Amino acid sequence: AQKITQTQPGMFVQEKEAVTLDCTYDTSDPSYGLFWYKQPSSGEMIFLIYQGSYDQQNATEGRYSLNFQKARKSANLVISASQLGDSAMYFCAMREGNYGGSQGNLIFGKGTKLSVKP
Amino acid sequence: DAGVTQSPTHLIKTRGQQVTLRCSPKSGHDTVSWYQQALGQGPQFIFQYYEEEERQRGNFPDRFSGHQFPNYSSELNVNALLLGDSALYLCASSFRQISSYNSPLHFGNGTRLTVT
Repeated sequence: AQKITQTQPGMFVQEKEAVTLDCTYDTSDPSYGLFWYKQPSSGEMIFLIYQGSYDQQNATEGRYSLNFQKARKSANLVISASQLGDSAMYFCAMREGNYGGSQGNLIFGKGTKLSVKP
Repeated sequence: DAGVTQSPTHLIKTRGQQVTLRCSPKSGHDTVSWYQQALGQGPQFIFQYYEEEERQRGNFPDRFSGHQFPNYSSELNVNALLLGDSALYLCASSFRQISSYNSPLHFGNGTRLTVT
């Protein structure tokens, strides 16, 4: 079963508008972290925002916010005031718990390609 | 402050050959992970190195091996290359912490490997 599901292969948004990218996850571990990364055509994965499973408030980082609904196991990324430079692939990822002191690996979804129209 | 650096940027190899990819972690980081990203897919975890030892491994065959050096840099080796090994190989670094699930990975720009 997929642990991270991103159901939107592609999205279009008008410049200056807000857009929501969907992500649902599946885990039985009570301790986990959820991450969003941006990947421009250059290939680099750029960390955007993090939400921990015990965090009471939704994470925000500048124009990025995470709509965390724990009971529904969803962690949607909201980008406000879209810019042309936001056009890229966006990946949702999860890390589960703590593997005997070593860092657990990130599990990625298949990504959503966001295109911002002028 | 240098981020994660990978070399080479691009590489073309023939089926059956061997390849070595290199990674220098972000300053202050001691853990290096490698990911394979096939075209149109999300990255898939290959393995992680800490204190010069492989700590975790994803579902990849033994043809994929690695090494971490005392300066924390790392190499990924792939033997007997297959056409299906064509992908973007991403290196990521982090600082190992007790509460490790909440620290983000910092990625390099990747090495694009093409196997013909």
